[in-house]
Formats: sequence, structure tokens, C-alpha cells
Amino acid sequence: GENVEQHPSTLSVQEGDSAVIKCTYSDSASNYFPWYKQELGKGPQLIIDIRSNVGEKKDQRIAVTLNKTAKHFSLHITETQPEDSAVYFCAASNGFSGGYNKLIFGAGTRLAVHP
Amino acid sequence: DSGVTQTPKHLITATGQRVTLRCSPRSGDLSVYWYQQSLDQGLQFLIQYYNGEERAKGNILERFSAQQFPDLHSELNLSSLELGDSALYFCASSVGALAGSQETQYFGPGTRLLVL
Repeated sequence: GENVEQHPSTLSVQEGDSAVIKCTYSDSASNYFPWYKQELGKGPQLIIDIRSNVGEKKDQRIAVTLNKTAKHFSLHITETQPEDSAVYFCAASNGFSGGYNKLIFGAGTRLAVHP
Repeated sequence: DSGVTQTPKHLITATGQRVTLRCSPRSGDLSVYWYQQSLDQGLQFLIQYYNGEERAKGNILERFSAQQFPDLHSELNLSSLELGDSALYFCASSVGALAGSQETQYFGPGTRLLVL
């Protein structure tokens, strides 16, 4: 069945370092890959997404890369700050099945940025 | 603030009871999704509605049901509650398109359900 694996489950970095979170997906028909940040007591917040016709996308300190052949996508955060500390989720979706738009989420990565 | 609202924020109830969770999507969004977040299962898709009609079903138990009303708000009904139903329940919304357009889903703040 559809599955998204996410690694690592926890990540601890020093402020200013880079952080990389990796995900692999099983459904080759997946064509949309969002990343969400969830802070304690809040709902997931979209931080960046990428569609299957693009290999890389960047937004300030955040970038996402997609390798469709390997069914692999990654989140890169540069110059990390303490406020980046949160749980990050990757997800995959096949958005072309007649409006069927469910997101399959990875298990999450707890990122801690130490001052 | 995503623009998606959910009520109530917290709900404490007993096993065997029935509860209703409510979601109002972002203004103009036609699709509503429900997700369950538990410690052992992570974020799991439950069900999607588009403009009042059920569009997709995930791992939703038969004890759970949902609907989307003409004003586009949605309700998730959970009945015969068990201890294992304790979780965060999130609603998300997207613009909505029959053909599935890789749409961004915006999540609400969630309802925390505790079944005692």
C-alpha cells in the first residue's frame, strides 16, 4: 500500500547549522509533496511544497529536492534558528484520481535547534 | 492562522459516548479533509468531502462518520467511543477541484479528544 518513510525521527543541531530531513514514498503515481511544520499545541503548517514536474524549490532558508526515479525527497533548512524547533512532517499525494487528494504522511522528525 | 476553524479545542468524554467535532473551512474552499493524529499511528487520513459529497475514504472506522453541509462546514461524528480513540483530530481544507490538482491543504488547530 501507500507508504511514506521519514528519517531521522529526531534531529539535534546547533544554531546556524543546516538540517536535512529525508523521505521516501512507495506510490509511483505520487505527484505532490508538501512539508509541514507542527509546533506544540498547533495544527500542521505548510512550509514548502513541490510538484512532480520540478526537481528543486527554494524559499529563503528552506529548500526541497525531489528525485522521482528514486522516489525520494528531502527538506533542507540552512542557518537554523531556535524558532525552527518543531516537528516536521513530509507527505505525498496523488492528486489526479478524480479529486482524490489524501495526504500520506511520514512519521515526523522532531528538530531541536540549540542556541 | 490558516483560516480553518475547529470546535471545540478540547473534549473529554467517557467510553461508549458519542461526540461531534466541527470544522469551518477557509473562505471559498470546497474540499474538507479529516485527519487523526495519535502517538502510535501518526497523522492518518480519515475522509475527504468535496462540495457536500464524499470524495475519498481512508482508515476511518465504521463507528465514525462525517458530512459536509451546504454552507461547506463539516462535522465528524465519533460514536461508541473507546480509549484508543483518544487523539488529535484535524480538519484541513483546500480550494477543491474535481480533477485533483495537487492542491495545498491548510490545517486547522485541531480538537484534542480524551476518552476516559
